[in-house]
Amino acid sequence: GAVVSQHPSWVICKSGTSVKIECRSLDFQATTMFWYRQFPKQSLMLMATSNEGSKATYEQGVEKDKFLINHASLTLSTLTVTSAHPEDSSFYICSARADRLGYGYTFGSGTRLTVV
Amino acid sequence: RKEVEQDPGPFNVPEGATVAFNCTYSNSASQSFFWYRQDCRKEPKLLMSVYSSGNEDGRFTAQLNRASQYISLLIRDSKLSDSATYLCVVNANNFNKFYFGSGTKLNVKP
Repeated sequence: GAVVSQHPSWVICKSGTSVKIECRSLDFQATTMFWYRQFPKQSLMLMATSNEGSKATYEQGVEKDKFLINHASLTLSTLTVTSAHPEDSSFYICSARADRLGYGYTFGSGTRLTVV
Repeated sequence: RKEVEQDPGPFNVPEGATVAFNCTYSNSASQSFFWYRQDCRKEPKLLMSVYSSGNEDGRFTAQLNRASQYISLLIRDSKLSDSATYLCVVNANNFNKFYFGSGTKLNVKP
């Protein structure tokens, strides 16, 4: 089936540093990928829609200069958390639509970011 | 008002029980509906799509009620392995954008 590979699975970083998270579609092309964030006991919240070859679309309240998204190819989207702070600690998940699955979306395994 | 609302639970049921969750959505123009399952600290996984006519997959039955704007998930003969959080997902006007409910936690006990 359609697989989305997300790396790293977890990362601990110091406050003020930047962290890059990769999301790859392994056996299909994804013109659009989505980045979500999930705080403990809360729902997945869409942060941004990543479009191959163009600028990402950010949801209201998400700082585009802080969460840099690059979707340079049909199989890779990256999210960079710049100047991370403890309040950015969260579970970040990407997803992509695999058309042969119908309208369902496939998710990466998630990245647990802890900023200390 | 939230786009999608779910009872967070937890629902604590014995093995073999039948349990049902509902999820309400606010956008009457929504067209696509899904139930996802999420285990602790894992990514959500598609459980089933929800079709207008209702659909069944083994022990799982999903229903859509457009008039009242809710979808439901029924699990029969609950197994211990069904313990998870069940997320309701509804698309927005923009077909490519989806909203997730906060999830309903199910605990199936021996």
